[in-house]
Amino acid sequence: EAQVTQNPRYLITVTGKKLTVTCSQNMNHEYMSWYRQDPGLGLRQIYYSMNVEVTDKGDVPEGYKVSRKEKRNFPLILESPSPNQTSLYFCASSPGTGFMNTEAFFGQGTRLTVV
Amino acid sequence: AQSVSQHNHHVILSEAASLELGCNYSYGGTVNLFWYVQYPGQHLQLLLKYFSGDPLVKGIKGFEAEFIKSKFSFNLRKPSVQWSDTAEYFCAVGSGNTGKLIFGQGTTLQVKP
Repeated sequence: EAQVTQNPRYLITVTGKKLTVTCSQNMNHEYMSWYRQDPGLGLRQIYYSMNVEVTDKGDVPEGYKVSRKEKRNFPLILESPSPNQTSLYFCASSPGTGFMNTEAFFGQGTRLTVV
Repeated sequence: AQSVSQHNHHVILSEAASLELGCNYSYGGTVNLFWYVQYPGQHLQLLLKYFSGDPLVKGIKGFEAEFIKSKFSFNLRKPSVQWSDTAEYFCAVGSGNTGKLIFGQGTTLQVKP
């Protein structure tokens, strides 16, 4: 089954404790991206990657890191989480160079709470 | 900068009522427009999209949307909603430079049985 898989689905952590949210897709997509969803703000792009070893900042990259060592994986790293990073996070992928011309496939989401 | 605005933040309807959710975008060039739906506890799914051609596009589950270029609008419609349409709906514009989707704030639709 074609899918984007995120782990964990739920996470409660403390301020400053490094964490990684994994994202994996099995559709051989070139483009992958992370979004955060906050009430009243919709989804905002954090980082994106157009291919292996190619990553770039989105609209809200502060406090986040990503890597793209393999085509299928695109982990989101929070080196020192803070309460303002409490949010619902989505990973998404698509073929080609992005979501402009094709459907975006989203993961199930990761609800992160930083206390 | 491109932006997307959804006018209705929370809509409550009874089953069989008609639905129209407003979406306006700010961008003067060619746009690709999308509506995504997020059912409770699930990931976002594509409802419909507009790239070019007939400005009235049909999507899944009886939804349709009309692109009106002069009004920079892409409103979502459904003639008769069902309880199962309860979800959050997002309008989005595709951005060519970075490949990203620019989302509106979202509209929560609650359909009462």
